[in-house]
Amino acid sequence: NAGVMQNPRHLVRRRGQEARLRCSPMKGHSHVYWYRQLPEEGLKFMVYLQKENIIDESGMPKERFSAEFPKEGPSILRIQQVVRGDSAAYFCASSPKGLAGAGEQYFGPGTRLTVT
Amino acid sequence: AQKITQTQPGMFVQEKEAVTLDCTYDTSDPSYGLFWYKQPSSGEMIFLIYQGSYDQQNATEGRYSLNFQKARKSANLVISASQLGDSAMYFCAMNNLGTDKLIFGTGTRLQVFP
Repeated sequence: NAGVMQNPRHLVRRRGQEARLRCSPMKGHSHVYWYRQLPEEGLKFMVYLQKENIIDESGMPKERFSAEFPKEGPSILRIQQVVRGDSAAYFCASSPKGLAGAGEQYFGPGTRLTVT
Repeated sequence: AQKITQTQPGMFVQEKEAVTLDCTYDTSDPSYGLFWYKQPSSGEMIFLIYQGSYDQQNATEGRYSLNFQKARKSANLVISASQLGDSAMYFCAMNNLGTDKLIFGTGTRLQVFP
């Protein structure tokens, strides 16, 4: 059973370009979470999605950031018009059900975004 | 608001010794979960151990145990018989049951020396 897949693992973008980060959850998992880790910091929650629905986007910046989890295919985190402050590691996690009731989130290897 | 505090930016331990990594939390919700993750230099997040707020016994997973002191709101990770491969960042995290986002602490960098 493959783990959570993220691609690309490393992404370099110039200021003003768009960044698209993809996450394929573990087989059978329908809950996806995105987190951002700035250098030397802990992970910060961004958004929680189920298939075709955004459940909680309280950690998403109001502008330039969007996320989706379509019926078919991976979850996508999209950052438009990137700025240097967007440079970070972006982690995706999945779970078979919501955390309510315990259990862990399985994390992907992360995408390291560098904005030049 | 929920908060996780890890007061040790770095810890050193000799191989084969035990080490305790501190974690305190703050929440007003009676139902919550506590997690520990390991992040080696390669960057991935590895789940180590989970403790539910209503669990009567401290969680254990192999060499990892969670020293859960509910009244003190602490959830320290104990690693027994440290190995060189334990050198990594360790993050404490929590969620309130009923919400699905994890709140992470700032982490502790553990270095195991021979």
